[in-house]
Amino acid sequence: QKEVEQNSGPLSVPEGAIASLNCTYSDRGSQSFFWYRQYSGKSPELIMSIYSNGDKEDGRFTAQLNKASQYVSLLIRDSQPSDSATYLCAVNGGRGGGFKTIFGAGTRLFVKA
Amino acid sequence: GAVVSQHPSWVICKSGTSVKIECRSLDFQATTMFWYRQFPKQSLMLMATSNEGSKATYEQGVEKDKFLINHASLTLSTLTVTSAHPEDSSFYICSASAGVRGPSNQPQHFGDGTRLSIL
Repeated sequence: QKEVEQNSGPLSVPEGAIASLNCTYSDRGSQSFFWYRQYSGKSPELIMSIYSNGDKEDGRFTAQLNKASQYVSLLIRDSQPSDSATYLCAVNGGRGGGFKTIFGAGTRLFVKA
Repeated sequence: GAVVSQHPSWVICKSGTSVKIECRSLDFQATTMFWYRQFPKQSLMLMATSNEGSKATYEQGVEKDKFLINHASLTLSTLTVTSAHPEDSSFYICSASAGVRGPSNQPQHFGDGTRLSIL
């Protein structure tokens, strides 16, 4: 089992729709969770951090965390073509993982105009 | 805030050349810096983790004598690709974290990457 798993996609949604990106992780001791966006040929940029169970909203983005289910998701409301990118889930591992940050392989999102 | 500058952004050089890439945290002190490599359409591959003032920790399969890392200060880490060959051509990305060593809630902030092409 991979330490951080994401569906590779591509996930295709029409403009204006909600895009839902999911991520599961294996280390129960994980405390910090991040979503990064990476455009083709560019480096990743941080878009959301979440540390507690529940939802965290920032503009059109909502991160959701459920530590009991070891699940973190990212919702993008009113999706725009400019949101088309690869979204990376990252998890700061617990003691069992040497406190490393583990990145998922990413989900490719296409927003169709 | 949390700006990481990486230089150069693009390098083309002949086989056998050594190439140095710099990574600087501009507005925070980076306790830890990371070096990644990414091939086209593939995911990030962590090469090594460097903590200021100590030796870098390399991931399995990464040759430490080929990829020399120096983290001389809290704002600067360098990666030198020694005697580069065409198979070393890739997109190299650094990131920096302000977190303390060990458990950290701090995210990584990425530089813009260096596209390395070895002829």
